[in-house]
Amino acid sequence: SQKIEQNSEALNIQEGKTATLTCNYTNYSPAYLQWYRQDPGRGPVFLLLIRENEKEKRKERLKVTFDTTLKQSLFHITASQPADSATYLCALANNAGNMLTFGGGTRLMVKP
Amino acid sequence: ETGVTQTPRHLVMGMTNKKSLKCEQHLGHNAMYWYKQSAKKPLELMFVYNFKEQTENNSVPSRFSPECPNSSHLFLHLHTLQPEDSALYLCASSQGELLKNEQFFGPGTRLTVL
Repeated sequence: SQKIEQNSEALNIQEGKTATLTCNYTNYSPAYLQWYRQDPGRGPVFLLLIRENEKEKRKERLKVTFDTTLKQSLFHITASQPADSATYLCALANNAGNMLTFGGGTRLMVKP
Repeated sequence: ETGVTQTPRHLVMGMTNKKSLKCEQHLGHNAMYWYKQSAKKPLELMFVYNFKEQTENNSVPSRFSPECPNSSHLFLHLHTLQPEDSALYLCASSQGELLKNEQFFGPGTRLTVL
């Protein structure tokens, strides 16, 4: 069955460092991969979308990679700040447009 | 604010009650969605509407009944729920191809079933 894995343990890093979050998937051939940020008690907020034929996407301090051979996406936040502390979710969409599957999310804590 | 509002923000109901969740999007999007987020479980897609027509129902029990009177409003009618249905219910909208573009989420309704 389709499975998306994100590190369920919190990631603790020091302010100013680069945070790297991982999204691995199995039994899936996604056409699109999205990353969202979710703060406690709030809905997810869209960050970046990357297509299967794209290797890398950047937006300000954010960078996403998509390796369809490894079945993995990496999400990087450079020069991290305490305000970046949140849960980050990856989501995979198929080409048919009838399914969007979310991972369980990884909680990021950036310490000053 | 994301342009998607949900009411109520919190709801406590008994298993025999009937209640409704409401979602409104002010973004002019064609698609609207209901998601369920339970503690320690990934976000689950429940229903998909495109131009007020339901396109997907991901094996959701019939005690959850969606309604989409127009492209801007989405309801989730609840009846005879179970305690395990307690969760955060999120509404989202998007423009263009279903599920392939940026989704705008509302703040959610925190539902507790006693």
